[in-house]
Amino acid sequence: SSELTQDPAVSVALGQTVRITCQGDSLRSYYASWYQQKPGQAPVLVIYGKNNRPSGIPDRFSGSSSGNTASLTITGAQAEDEADYYCNSRDSSGNLVVFGGGTKLTVL
Amino acid sequence: EVQLVESGGGLVQPGGSLRLSCAASGFTFSSYEMNWVRQAPGKGLEWVSYISSSGSTIYYADSVKGRFTISRDNAKNSLYLQMNSLRAEDTAVYYCARIGESDFDYWGQGTLVTVSS
Repeated sequence: SSELTQDPAVSVALGQTVRITCQGDSLRSYYASWYQQKPGQAPVLVIYGKNNRPSGIPDRFSGSSSGNTASLTITGAQAEDEADYYCNSRDSSGNLVVFGGGTKLTVL
Repeated sequence: EVQLVESGGGLVQPGGSLRLSCAASGFTFSSYEMNWVRQAPGKGLEWVSYISSSGSTIYYADSVKGRFTISRDNAKNSLYLQMNSLRAEDTAVYYCARIGESDFDYWGQGTLVTVSS
């Protein structure tokens, strides 16, 4: 299967830790990347590879993977982290790109 | 500073055609793989197409295969998406995105395509 499945919505109390997951068979072979998208803005890469952050991304963002599940963890969520989060990876051929359906994160 | 600026979006009737452009600057365009990704109103991201740095390798999502054509002009630092036989379900914001060492590392701001009669 080339699908990536995400929970539609997750909430977290301000300052607490939240995990957003992404499931798919291709994740057994390929790492997921994670993107943050705020309303009216383009997506921004926050995690790629095993657990890498682009320059400028706070270290409260981290990534992990186990079996067919990739996770994005925000440790000490801030109000500005409220956004939609998407995972992506490759399909079983390694050629085509697939995105998860997205998770809307609410910071309470 | 890396910049990707899309243009060419607009209103088109079903069955019509449109050509999107993405102007790149701030990096060596000819060294990078590029993609088009779209987002229907209120929906998630959908990958559309990929092109290698030289243009020799191209992939499409099943939803656009046979109707859309991706291309690039490295001399003009530009990426294109020719969209034919447009359908209502093609209505979306279309983003160009660069693949760097860190996957889709830079995105444009997008251009809106509306397919409606």
